[in-house]
Amino acid sequence: DAEITQSPRHKITETGRQVTLACHQTWNHNNMFWYRQDLGHGLRLIHYSYGVHDTNKGEVSDGYSVSRSNTEDLPLTLESAASSQTSVYFCASSEGPTLSYGYTFGSGTRLTVV
Amino acid sequence: GEDVEQSLFLSVREGDSSVINCTYTDSSSTYLYWYKQEPGAGLQLLTYIFSNMDMKQDQRLTVLLNKKDKHLSLRIADTQTGDSAIYFCAERPNDYKLSFGAGTTVTVRA
Repeated sequence: DAEITQSPRHKITETGRQVTLACHQTWNHNNMFWYRQDLGHGLRLIHYSYGVHDTNKGEVSDGYSVSRSNTEDLPLTLESAASSQTSVYFCASSEGPTLSYGYTFGSGTRLTVV
Repeated sequence: GEDVEQSLFLSVREGDSSVINCTYTDSSSTYLYWYKQEPGAGLQLLTYIFSNMDMKQDQRLTVLLNKKDKHLSLRIADTQTGDSAIYFCAERPNDYKLSFGAGTTVTVRA
């Protein structure tokens, strides 16, 4: 069955370190998204991609980067982790252009920056 | 998520109906969605409604859309303990990005 997987599920890192969160989908979806979830803020869009070699900034992109070298993967990199980046991170994918079924979400990565 | 607003908490007795409300801002939104998040899990699509519809029913779920007021609601009939979760409203304007509300935490009490 097609799926979208995130790894690791939990990560603790130190301030200033570079961290990469993985997202892999086998739906063959063109569109992929990274969100962070924080209490009281819901989900906020970090970066997104509409296809290979396409990347775009979302509303909270500072301190994060992504690259899209193939259809299946959109890794999220925190260049220099900060305590404000402690959060739960969700990756999602969708087909386009109809999008009637919304996104398919991964199970999330809980990141703690100490 | 600032453009989509939801109340943060709802407590309901088991067997009663739950109504979760949402307001959105983008009148060009073509689809509106309800997602459910159980503890420790990702978001799961519950239902969606196309903007040219007023109502959609799917088993115990009823979605009502008032485009004039940009108001969306989700009614869960005969609420069960398994319905305890966070429910997110989301809108989709004319691109592929969804904007989410902050989520409504529904607690079902016996």
